[in-house]
Amino acid sequence: DVKVTQSSRYLVKRTGEKVFLECVQDMDHENMFWYRQDPGLGLRLIYFSYDVKMKEKGDIPEGYSVSREKKERFSLILESASTNQTSMYLCASSFLRGRDEQYFGPGTRLTVT
Amino acid sequence: AQTVTQSQPEMSVQEAETVTLSCTYDTSESDYYLFWYKQPPSRQMILVIRQEAYKQQNATENRFSVNFQKAAKSFSLKISDSQLGDAAMYFCAWGAQKLVFGQGTRLTINP
Repeated sequence: DVKVTQSSRYLVKRTGEKVFLECVQDMDHENMFWYRQDPGLGLRLIYFSYDVKMKEKGDIPEGYSVSREKKERFSLILESASTNQTSMYLCASSFLRGRDEQYFGPGTRLTVT
Repeated sequence: AQTVTQSQPEMSVQEAETVTLSCTYDTSESDYYLFWYKQPPSRQMILVIRQEAYKQQNATENRFSVNFQKAAKSFSLKISDSQLGDAAMYFCAWGAQKLVFGQGTRLTINP
């Protein structure tokens, strides 16, 4: 079975802190994605990566950056956390972009105080 | 830009009955895929069913089936013989180079 893991289920950070969210997949997938999930808004794409060291902006990249140094690992970075970044963050991976099933991690619920 | 709309924030159904969740989308592309994902409480999101836009035949997976109306840009999910384990958030998504998700529908199953 495909497994996507995220480093934390719950995280509490202070405004202005630098925050790292880690995601690891074990299926040798080319594509990895970071979403944020907010009630009434569904999932919105922050960044995605289709290869090591490659990244593309999604629909809401402002305030975020990403890193993909190894194929199995995709990190989301909040350079200076703000309260409006309090949300559920979901990582996903897939073999093909857009047309293929995405496998999701359990999510990280981030609270910025 | 592509948009996906789920107009039913919440739905409920009696156990063993049938429920239909609605989804509409807007796109100018001709080649794309449509998906329904399920997110049970405190559990990971999983794929329920996938439809390829160029296929006219509606996809089915056991008790789950879709009604795909390409001209109307409509993609509804029908769950037959509802079970308690079907209770979840359901998300409709459109995909080509990336996925675009709808707002979600919370489905409650009444025993």
